[in-house]
Amino acid sequence: EPEVTQTPSHQVTQMGQEVILRCVPISNHLYFYWYRQILGQKVEFLVSFYNNEISEKSEIFDDQFSVERPDGSNFTLKIRSTKLEDSAMYFCASSVGTGHQPQHFGDGTRLSIL
Amino acid sequence: RKEVEQDPGPFNVPEGATVAFNCTYSNSASQSFFWYRQDCRKEPKLLMSVYSSGNEDGRFTAQLNRASQYISLLIRDSKLSDSATYLCAAGASGSARQLTFGSGTQLTVLP
Repeated sequence: EPEVTQTPSHQVTQMGQEVILRCVPISNHLYFYWYRQILGQKVEFLVSFYNNEISEKSEIFDDQFSVERPDGSNFTLKIRSTKLEDSAMYFCASSVGTGHQPQHFGDGTRLSIL
Repeated sequence: RKEVEQDPGPFNVPEGATVAFNCTYSNSASQSFFWYRQDCRKEPKLLMSVYSSGNEDGRFTAQLNRASQYISLLIRDSKLSDSATYLCAAGASGSARQLTFGSGTQLTVLP
């Protein structure tokens, strides 16, 4: 069964540094998403991406964050000037469409900011 | 505020039991609904979509009540492997249907 793959599985970074989290969505999917889950808390939506542009973003997704799909395969989340509170699991998801089309999640990147 | 609320549990049930989870959503514009399961420190894995007419997949049955704005998940003949956290998610109308997740209901099936 096709999967969403994410790298790295664990990223440890000093506060203030930039990180890039990578995702390869399922190949025939057109919609891409980033979510995060702080330990012990809910899965929270960050951003959705379609047709090479952001479709929706949450209030969490401020100027510190950016997404791109530079080569038609990888879908990346960049976090500039990381803060301690950015420590979380970051999940990428993709779906073939919207509406009743479900989103399928990658196994996540655990980001630890020191 | 768009919220999805779940009873956090934990639900501890013996093998073979039937267990039901409910989830309420506050955004009446929500159009699509899903149940995911999440094992400890893992990704949400799609369990099933929830349709207006209700739907069943093996031991799992999902129902949607739009008037009362809740969805439910019934697990029959529970197995040890069903132990996980069950997340409900609602997608609002819009271009890309971001999902709003509940905080999850923890289920432990005991031998």
